Amino acid sequence: EDQVTQSPEALRLQEGESSSLNCSYTVSGLRGLFWYRQDPGKGPEFLFTLYSAGEEKEKERLKATLTKKESFLHITAPKPEDSATYLCAVQARGQGNLIFGKGTKLSVKP
Amino acid sequence: EAGVTQFPSHSVIEKGQTVTLRCDPISGHDNLYWYRRVMGKEIKFLLHFVKESKQDESGMPNNRFLAERTGGTYSTLKVQPAELEDSGVYFCASSQDPNTMDGGTEAFFGQGTRLTVV
Repeated sequence: EDQVTQSPEALRLQEGESSSLNCSYTVSGLRGLFWYRQDPGKGPEFLFTLYSAGEEKEKERLKATLTKKESFLHITAPKPEDSATYLCAVQARGQGNLIFGKGTKLSVKP
Repeated sequence: EAGVTQFPSHSVIEKGQTVTLRCDPISGHDNLYWYRRVMGKEIKFLLHFVKESKQDESGMPNNRFLAERTGGTYSTLKVQPAELEDSGVYFCASSQDPNTMDGGTEAFFGQGTRLTVV
């Protein structure tokens, strides 16, 4: 069964304190792995797509990496505005839909 | 460019009533998806349209849910009759056609409709 597990469920950081979020997945043929950011009361906002092991993508203070079993979202020197829930999702080959994890709720305190 | 738009943003209905949710995808996006998040759970897939055709409806919970996509443009999701367990946030997403290589294509989400059945 295709499955996505994210850890930790919640993470509290001080401003400037770098850390990583984990996304472990099992899928019958990975088509793509997606990271989204979700703010309260809003829909998921697309961040990155990773397609193959070893791939990395960066955007401002965020960097996403991918292995054959997991993905990491590294947050460097976070700011309070980075506070949100970060969602990981996979898309299996031959499928259009996304399989989501429960997300990691990140809080960054000034 | 306008993003994915959903109406209404909130709906509170009584058990047994009917509710219709609407989604306007990004113009030109052939793929349209409905998802749902119930409290404490992950976002789960309901169904996938390609243009006006249902590509995959394996996530639809039961026959009280009916989705349509008129002319391959906007989509509606009707729940009739609503039950308490239907409460949650319903998201719509759209994406362009995937390319022919083995790569996914990002889906853009609306802000969601929060449905409360009392």
